[in-house]
Amino acid sequence: DQQVKQNSPSLSVQEGRISILNCDYTNSMFDYFLWYKKYPAEGPTFLISISSIKDKNEDGRFTVFLNKSAKHLSLHIVPSQPGDSAVYFCAASGASGGSYIPTFGRGTSLIVHP
Amino acid sequence: KAGVTQTPRYLIKTRGQQVTLSCSPISGHRSVSWYQQTPGQGLQFLFEYFSETQRNKGNFPGRFSGRQFSNSRSEMNVSTLELGDSALYLCASSLGGNLSGNTIYFGEGSWLTVV
Repeated sequence: DQQVKQNSPSLSVQEGRISILNCDYTNSMFDYFLWYKKYPAEGPTFLISISSIKDKNEDGRFTVFLNKSAKHLSLHIVPSQPGDSAVYFCAASGASGGSYIPTFGRGTSLIVHP
Repeated sequence: KAGVTQTPRYLIKTRGQQVTLSCSPISGHRSVSWYQQTPGQGLQFLFEYFSETQRNKGNFPGRFSGRQFSNSRSEMNVSTLELGDSALYLCASSLGGNLSGNTIYFGEGSWLTVV
């Protein structure tokens, strides 16, 4: 039973355009959401996060939007660059034994074409 | 500030053997969690340690175990290795407080191949 779902295994975008990666969750106890980027043979790198008290958080070219009523979040990358080509993982956490361990989606592979 | 360090980076083991992987968290981080990544399965949570105690555990068989030392360094052990245990094992650390907004930071991972 996947509590965090990334329904698009892959996404292809032209350089300079917007990349939109989507993520859905089912657990209403989740209150903190994170995005990680992973290159092959490396560990995931933390990108950006958002708390459930906000609906948008921006960091440079990366913006995360949260729609709590729809239990949906998205990561926007503008403009997309070839170096953004990687697997992007969405994660969500909330009170669980008091430790807030994130639950991850299966990832979306983003390819940005020059 | 040094990141999360995992050793070894790559290893090959034979079915039936056991393996121990090591993780040094970011200085000041008291929580260490372990994840398994296999193709198409995303990041599967194994367990989390905080102050030398296992605080959370994922749905893995008892062959997978771990521990944490007083300096927050952690090890995970897999006994009686099976071919399906071949994966990237990732360690992550965080401050670990019981507060929302707990961001975890990953190491480079240990690639385990079981033959």
